[in-house]
Parts: sequence; C-alpha cells; structure tokens
Amino acid sequence: AQKVTQAQTEISVVEKEDVTLDCVYETRDTTYYLFWYKQPPSGELVFLIRRNSFDEQNEISGRYSWNFQKSTSSFNFTITASQVVDSAVYFCALSETSSNDYKLSFGAGTTVTVRA
Amino acid sequence: DAGVIQSPRHEVTEMGQEVTLRCKPISGHDYLFWYRQTMMRGLELLIYFNNNVPIDDSGMPEDRFSAKMPNASFSTLKIQPSEPRDSAVYFCASSLGAFDGKLFFGSGTQLSVL
Repeated sequence: AQKVTQAQTEISVVEKEDVTLDCVYETRDTTYYLFWYKQPPSGELVFLIRRNSFDEQNEISGRYSWNFQKSTSSFNFTITASQVVDSAVYFCALSETSSNDYKLSFGAGTTVTVRA
Repeated sequence: DAGVIQSPRHEVTEMGQEVTLRCKPISGHDYLFWYRQTMMRGLELLIYFNNNVPIDDSGMPEDRFSAKMPNASFSTLKIQPSEPRDSAVYFCASSLGAFDGKLFFGSGTQLSVL
C-alpha cells in the first residue's frame, strides 16, 4: 500500500502565484517523521524540511511554508510568490520508527512548473 | 565540503554487460543509501549501510544486483548482467544518525541499458 500520496502530478503556475502541494500519508506509528525534498532539473534531491509527529506547528522558511495536520494525515507545502527557480519536482516522504529500520517512503512527486 | 560524489554521471551499456556505479559519501556520515528512480516506480530504496555494514537489502530487485561498502568513503553498486529494465537513475545518499532523514543525495547516475 502506498504510504505517501501526492495526488497532484503536475502543477503549472505563472510567476508570483502561490502554489500548494498536497501530501497525505498513512501510518499506524505514533512516532514518525515527514519530509519534503526538492529535485531541480539538475537531478539531485535536496532536503527541505523534516517534521516529527509530535510537532504540529506550522513552519515558514522564506517563501516556503508547511502545514502539518495529524487529524487529516496531511503535510502540505506552499510556495508563496513562486519564482522560475522553484520549478522542480517536489517529493513528500515518510519515515516510520516502529520497524526500527531506517527507510524513507517517498511519494510519487509533484512537478511544479513556474512560467515567467 | 564536497557533497556526495557519484560516478559516472551517465552510463550507456549493452544488455548482458556488467555495470558498476560508484559513490563517495560525505565524510563523517554513518549511513549510505542506494536509490533507484524510474518513471514507473518512482524512488525506490535498494539497500542501505550503517558504518559500512549492509543493514537492509530487501529492495535489491534481483541477485544480479550487489552492493559493497569496503570502507567509510566508498561504495559500489554492481549489476551483472545488466538488462534493459535496469535503465534508471541511480542515486547514492548519505546521512548522519538513525531516523535523521536528512539525506544528502549525489547527482545520480543515468544508466541506459540497450
């Protein structure tokens, strides 16, 4: 079963528009970690954020913000005032602790295209 | 500091040939991961090491795949013999600590098996 679902395959916006990427996860663990990674056209994945399951505070970093809601098992990501450099594939990921292994389950990714 | 270094960036080979992908993790990182990325299956964890010891290789698709980490600064992923369905981007990543989750990825190796 898919543990992380990113329902949006592609999103295209015009520069300066806001864009929100949805992420829904599934786990029975009470302790888990959620992540967002960015994969720009150059190819390598870049870590953006990690949240643990006990910290539901939303977070803002510059133009990026994250909304974590345990009640709906969602960890959404918003880019405010998008720029062309934000064009990339964005992955949401989950790490569960119950199995005591160290694996990230990645979603399928959302391709964001920001047009000038 | 240099990031995770992978080589080669691109590899084109013929079916049946042996392919070796190489990775140098970030110095001081205890964990090393090999991922494969395809359009159909997305990002899949193949194997990971902790302090040079393979911990979980359940993601390795077949016996044709093998990975080694002879020391803290080097790892290889070998496919022998290669098949067209192995065509993918292979990423190496490293990190500190368990459940850290903050992986540092290399630029990947684009493998094409003809």
